[in-house]
Order: sequence, then structure tokens, then C-alpha cells
Amino acid sequence: AQKITQTQPGMFVQEKEAVTLDCTYDTSDPSYGLFWYKQPSSGEMIFLIYQGSYDQQNATEGRYSLNFQKARKSANLVISASQLGDSAMYFCAMREGQGAQKLVFGQGTRLTINP
Amino acid sequence: NAGVTQTPKFQVLKTGQSMTLQCAQDMNHNSMYWYRQDPGMGLRLIYYSASEGTTDKGEVPNGYNVSRLNKREFSLRLESAAPSQTSVYFCASSPGLTVTSQFFGPGTRLTVL
Repeated sequence: AQKITQTQPGMFVQEKEAVTLDCTYDTSDPSYGLFWYKQPSSGEMIFLIYQGSYDQQNATEGRYSLNFQKARKSANLVISASQLGDSAMYFCAMREGQGAQKLVFGQGTRLTINP
Repeated sequence: NAGVTQTPKFQVLKTGQSMTLQCAQDMNHNSMYWYRQDPGMGLRLIYYSASEGTTDKGEVPNGYNVSRLNKREFSLRLESAAPSQTSVYFCASSPGLTVTSQFFGPGTRLTVL
């Protein structure tokens, strides 16, 4: 079974609109972490945001927030007030277990922001 | 701070040739990683090193070896390159024992003919 599922291969959004990128995960470990990365067309991987399974509040970093719904095993990334520079591939990833080092990545969602 | 650096940026090999990809970080991080990214895919972990002196296999270790030379440097070696190893290779590092953030190098684009 896929550990991380990103069901939207591509999304198109108007500039300044909010965007939600979907991510569902599968684990039986009570301790895990969820990550989002951005990969622009230049190719680098940029760490955006992290949510721990025991964190009570949804993580936020500037215009990025993580909508964490534990019962649904969902960790959607929300980008507020989208900008042209947000056009990129976005990857969701998970770490299973406290002290674990391995991250498993989803296949990504390509986000295009239209002017 | 340069963050995570990788050399080379691009490489073309013939089948059977060997090469070493170099990675260094200047953030005093304990853990380092090597991933590969195939076209249209997410990243897959090849090897990682949780601390200086230790290395462990990831999801796709076959055909690769690694060396954690010191706290700063983590190299990836292809002993006998195969076309299936054509990919973009990323090195990454993270500060602590439990990964809550991970920072990536710019990547090496490797083509094996």
C-alpha cells in the first residue's frame, strides 16, 4: 500500500487565490511526522513545513499552513494568497517512528499559478 | 553558510564506469542522506547516516555504496554504473536524531549511457 498519496497530479489556480494541496498517509505508528517540500522548475528541494503527530496545533509558516486531520490521515498543505512564484511541484512526505531517519515521499502535485 | 553542497552538478557515464558523488554540509547537522529522483516521481532514499561513523540502507540501496567521511561529508559511490541509475541525486542533511526538518543540496543530474 502507498504510504503517501497525493491524488492531484496537477492544479491550476488564479493568482491571489488560496490553494489546498491534498496529502493522505498510511501508518500504524502513533509517532510520525509529516513534511511538505516545494520543487521549482530549477530543481532544488525546499523544505516548507513540518507537523508532528502529537502536535496539538496545525503547523504554520508564513503563507503556508498544514491542515492536519489525524482521524482522516490527511495532511493537506494550504497556501494563502498564491503568487506566481508558487508555481512548482509540491511533495508530501512522512517519517514513521520517533527517532526514525527515513522519509517516504509522495509522487507530487504540480501547481501552476495563473496571472 | 553554503548549506548543503554537491559536486558535480552534471555527469555522463558509460555503463560499467564508476564515480563518486560528493556532498558536504556546513550546518553542523548530525544526519545526512542520499536520495534519487526519477522523472515524474518523488524522492526515494538510497542510504542515510544518522551520525558520524554510521550508515544504513534506505529504500533503494542496490548498486550504491556510501561513506560518511566526517560530520560534514557524505559521499555516494556507484561502482559499476547501469542505465537504470540515470537519475537526479540529492543529498540532504538534518540536525537531530528525530527528523523534523531536512535540507537539500542542489542535486546532481547523472546520465548513464
